Amino acid sequence: GAGVSQSPRYKVAKRGQDVALRCDPISGHVSLFWYQQALGQGPEFLTYFQNEAQLDKSGLPSDRFFAERPEGSVSTLKIQRTQQEDSAVYLCASSLPSGGTNEKLFFGSGTQLSVL
Amino acid sequence: GESVGLHLPTLSVQEGDNSIINCAYSNSASDYFIWYKQESGKGPQFIIDIRSNMDKRQGQRVTVLLNKTVKHLSLQIAATQPGDSAVYFCAENESGGGADGLTFGKGTHLIIQP
Repeated sequence: GAGVSQSPRYKVAKRGQDVALRCDPISGHVSLFWYQQALGQGPEFLTYFQNEAQLDKSGLPSDRFFAERPEGSVSTLKIQRTQQEDSAVYLCASSLPSGGTNEKLFFGSGTQLSVL
Repeated sequence: GESVGLHLPTLSVQEGDNSIINCAYSNSASDYFIWYKQESGKGPQFIIDIRSNMDKRQGQRVTVLLNKTVKHLSLQIAATQPGDSAVYFCAENESGGGADGLTFGKGTHLIIQP
């Protein structure tokens, strides 16, 4: 597709349930980022991939959060045993083919996760 | 850690007027700055960026000004239109050792009044 695609668009989970959020970056983009955006706040960095390598996962809030990008294209963010504080919009972004981090990011529309 | 912040959470302007959205940053090592527009239910959309070797950059109806001395960034939108209503985020990055990805401020909600 022309842009970053995320699915599902909305996800409602019961507390304790596991969820998986999918991101299809722009074709050919080397870098992929996951951000978490709480209501009324700016996006907060979670993790970064360059191709299939996860180079930075310092923003993941707990070991319940796990991200992968096994073939260097599609990425999945998994949250185990969801808690209410996990409720947020999860944004995926990719960047230009040169793969640098000091470049503009192209964002998807996000997955809005609500944990009840 | 150091972060990027915004002065005003909400800015209301009349349609056709110019809008100025401000942003302060604290990381003196930041060398790349970017403005995003986020409409309700959508992801952030790129507006304009600027590197630290510049102090001004213009796009279509938008201008970004960077004052490194006081660590201040602004976004000027000329002849504001209803479609400009959104939340605007500034973000920054430090190359060569800073955090991966962009660090975002909290956002300014721009409201256009008819």
